[in-house]
Amino acid sequence: IAGITQAPTSQILAAGRRMTLRCTQDMRHNAMYWYRQDLGLGLRLIHYSNTAGTTGKGEVPDGYSVSRANTDDFPLTLASAVPSQTSVYFCASSENSNQPQHFGDGTRLSIL
Amino acid sequence: GEDVEQSLFLSVREGDSSVINCTYTDSSSTYLYWYKQEPGAGLQLLTYIFSNMDMKQDQRLTVLLNKKDKHLSLRIADTQTGDSAIYFCAESKGGGNKLTFGTGTQLKVEL
Repeated sequence: IAGITQAPTSQILAAGRRMTLRCTQDMRHNAMYWYRQDLGLGLRLIHYSNTAGTTGKGEVPDGYSVSRANTDDFPLTLASAVPSQTSVYFCASSENSNQPQHFGDGTRLSIL
Repeated sequence: GEDVEQSLFLSVREGDSSVINCTYTDSSSTYLYWYKQEPGAGLQLLTYIFSNMDMKQDQRLTVLLNKKDKHLSLRIADTQTGDSAIYFCAESKGGGNKLTFGTGTQLKVEL
């Protein structure tokens, strides 16, 4: 079934550790996105990529990095995790940058 | 204040209509979206409306857009228990692909 796959589903991580959240889509969408969802704040855009080889900063990029080596994969890396990065992380994709975005099932990340 | 505002909670009886409201700020938004999130799941795109439209209907869902007041609503006809979820309104700021989400409206459908 076509869609977006995120891994892991959930993770508990010690502060200071490095962590990469994986996102893969098989819809050949050009644009991909990472959001974090926090209670009372809705979803906020962390980073995005309009096409393979390009990335851009969203609303809350600090402490996160992304890469887009190919169309299908868009990993999100926390170089040195901090407790304030405890959140639910959603990856999304869209056919092009002005098309509706489709979401994965999320990764629940707890930083202790 | 928030860029996109929604009421936090709505309770309706099964079979009634639900109306979820949203106000946004960016008059240059190209698209406005409604997403549904069930517990423990991701966001499911329900419907969207282009900014030059006033209304869009899709089966039980009706979206109304008042550009003058920057007000968007989602009406769910014949609401069912399976419609219980959190509903997010989102605008595409500057007409681009960076979505700004509201904080979500939790819809509870009672028997």
